[in-house]
Amino acid sequence: DAGVIQSPRHEVTEMGQEVTLRCKPISGHNSLFWYRQTMMRGLELLIYFNNNVPIDDSGMPEDRFSAKMPNASFSTLKIQPSEPRDSAVYFCASSLGDPNYEQYFGPGTRLTVT
Amino acid sequence: KQEVTQIPAALSVPEGENLVLNCSFTDSAIYNLQWFRQDPGKGLTSLLLIQSSQREQTSGRLNASLDKSSGRSTLYIAASQPGDSATYLCAVWLGVSNFGNEKLTFGTGTRLTIIP
Repeated sequence: DAGVIQSPRHEVTEMGQEVTLRCKPISGHNSLFWYRQTMMRGLELLIYFNNNVPIDDSGMPEDRFSAKMPNASFSTLKIQPSEPRDSAVYFCASSLGDPNYEQYFGPGTRLTVT
Repeated sequence: KQEVTQIPAALSVPEGENLVLNCSFTDSAIYNLQWFRQDPGKGLTSLLLIQSSQREQTSGRLNASLDKSSGRSTLYIAASQPGDSATYLCAVWLGVSNFGNEKLTFGTGTRLTIIP
């Protein structure tokens, strides 16, 4: 298996632009997680899905952030409009199901908003 | 709110030594605790997962223990090697067993350097 796939790996954009991050989970996994990592705040869970349904989005910082999972093999995290403080590494992870199962992380997307 | 603390933030030890990394959490009503490692510029790799009913888990040279009552977990690394150099993070699932009510909180990590 190719593991969790994220694209793009790097994204540089100007403030105010829309940014879309993409994730393909491991085939057969039914839980998907979006994280953000910064030096200041560490690793934060933004949202997670189970069977394509958002379970907890309390970590989403504000309305500028939205996430979708239209099917079991694809998810997006969108920021509109982007701001410099959104600069971070965004990770996607997937697992077989409930918290008893290990999470497998993608390589991350490094986002820079200028 | 669950707080997860890892001390020290950084640790350097000579190759071959045994070492212990610490993780503490404020709310003992956890579902499970996981240890991860993160290499520079990479995602996280799961090392060990301990259920709330378990006391420890072992994988190769790694041993993780859990003491819920005191809000502590340790990761023991035996016979350290330069390849063990990475940042180690613990993460705690807080909540009951019904998936959907849990909250996941990560510690800030310990950056480990093994000196050859």
